[in-house]
Amino acid sequence: EAQVTQNPRYLITVTGKKLTVTCSQNMNHEYMSWYRQDPGLGLRQIYYSMNVEVTDKGDVPEGYKVSRKEKRNFPLILESPSPNQTSLYFCASNDLAGSSYNEQFFGPGTRLTVL
Amino acid sequence: DAKTTQPTSMDCAEGRAANLPCNHSTISGNEYVYWYRQIHSQGPQYIIHGLKNNETNEMASLIITEDRKSSTLILPHATLRDTAVYYCIVRDPTNDYKLSFGAGTTVTVRA
Repeated sequence: EAQVTQNPRYLITVTGKKLTVTCSQNMNHEYMSWYRQDPGLGLRQIYYSMNVEVTDKGDVPEGYKVSRKEKRNFPLILESPSPNQTSLYFCASNDLAGSSYNEQFFGPGTRLTVL
Repeated sequence: DAKTTQPTSMDCAEGRAANLPCNHSTISGNEYVYWYRQIHSQGPQYIIHGLKNNETNEMASLIITEDRKSSTLILPHATLRDTAVYYCIVRDPTNDYKLSFGAGTTVTVRA
């Protein structure tokens, strides 16, 4: 089954404790992206990657890092989480050239709480 | 991306068609209209997209006006599981892969 998976789905942590949210897709998509969703602000893009070793900032990259060492994986790293990073996070992927290039596939979401 | 305008919310009776409007008066020639939906904090789900012709798939139909300044998503036989926030997004898929989600329309299907 074609899918984007994220782990963990729920995480409660404390300020300053480094964490990583993993994202993996099994569709061989070139493009991957991270969004955060907050009440009243909608979904906002954090980082994106056009292919392996190619990443770039989205609209709200402060406080986040990403890496793209393999095509299928795109982890989101919070080096020193703060309470304002409490949010619902979504990973997404997109085929840039194939028949499904118009459709962006989203993961199930990771609900992060930073105390 | 062109800005889109959608109603904040709408109700629909189960089994009836739901017609969701979207205005995108500043759409450019290369921009497509996309519809996604999000069911209660799940990941957004692609529904349909179109450029200028009407489109239909197993989920919905998309009607785009001739001047392309507005469109309507039609859910032909709404079910309770169609209760969700529906987003209308306009973008050029060849050079902009980011989806700019607005507030969307909250659709509530009632039994």
